[in-house]
Amino acid sequence: GAGVSQSPSNKVTEKGKDVELRCDPISGHTALYWYRQRLGQGLEFLIYFQGNSAPDKSGLPSDRFSAERTGESVSTLTIQRTQQEDSAVYLCASSSTPSGTEGNGYTFGSGTRLTVV
Amino acid sequence: QKEVEQNSGPLSVPEGAIASLNCTYSDRVSQSFFWYRQYSGKSPELIMSIYSNGDKEDGRFTAQLNKASQYVSLLIRDSQPSDSATYLCAAYNFNKFYFGSGTKLNVKP
Repeated sequence: GAGVSQSPSNKVTEKGKDVELRCDPISGHTALYWYRQRLGQGLEFLIYFQGNSAPDKSGLPSDRFSAERTGESVSTLTIQRTQQEDSAVYLCASSSTPSGTEGNGYTFGSGTRLTVV
Repeated sequence: QKEVEQNSGPLSVPEGAIASLNCTYSDRVSQSFFWYRQYSGKSPELIMSIYSNGDKEDGRFTAQLNKASQYVSLLIRDSQPSDSATYLCAAYNFNKFYFGSGTKLNVKP
């Protein structure tokens, strides 16, 4: 597609339920990132996928969070047993792998606003 | 120590003035640098990238990189109220991007 697509755009869920967030990156982008942004805060790195390499999961805050990506296509971020502190905007971004030249960067999706009640 | 650090602001400037946004980074992130703008409730959008020491200009925006001092800055000339947003600095190193927490800019009419 022309841009990074995320769904749903908004999700309200009850505490303790599982949620699944979807990201469809730009075609051909080998790198895909998930970030969390709480209200008024900066971007918090969650997980990074690069091609077929093992993902960098170092930002996942707990074992309730997991993510998958099949090849260079869609990624899903799953949050199990949601808690109120999980409420945030979850942003996905993709990029072609920079080779040290200028002009490359992330293209962000519009995010999923998750509210846990 | 965070890889990329920014003053959270808010930075307030009058319309027409120059807004100067700064960012410092650690040794671990030292290849390419990016400035993103994020309007309230929206996702970040890329403004500029810079790789080499010195200045890079694009319209009203100038990015400056000083690798020896480990800082990167963004200057916005003739600031407009529509420039009011949060500006995120990002650094790239070894296939990974590191974001600062952003500086909120208010341009007052």
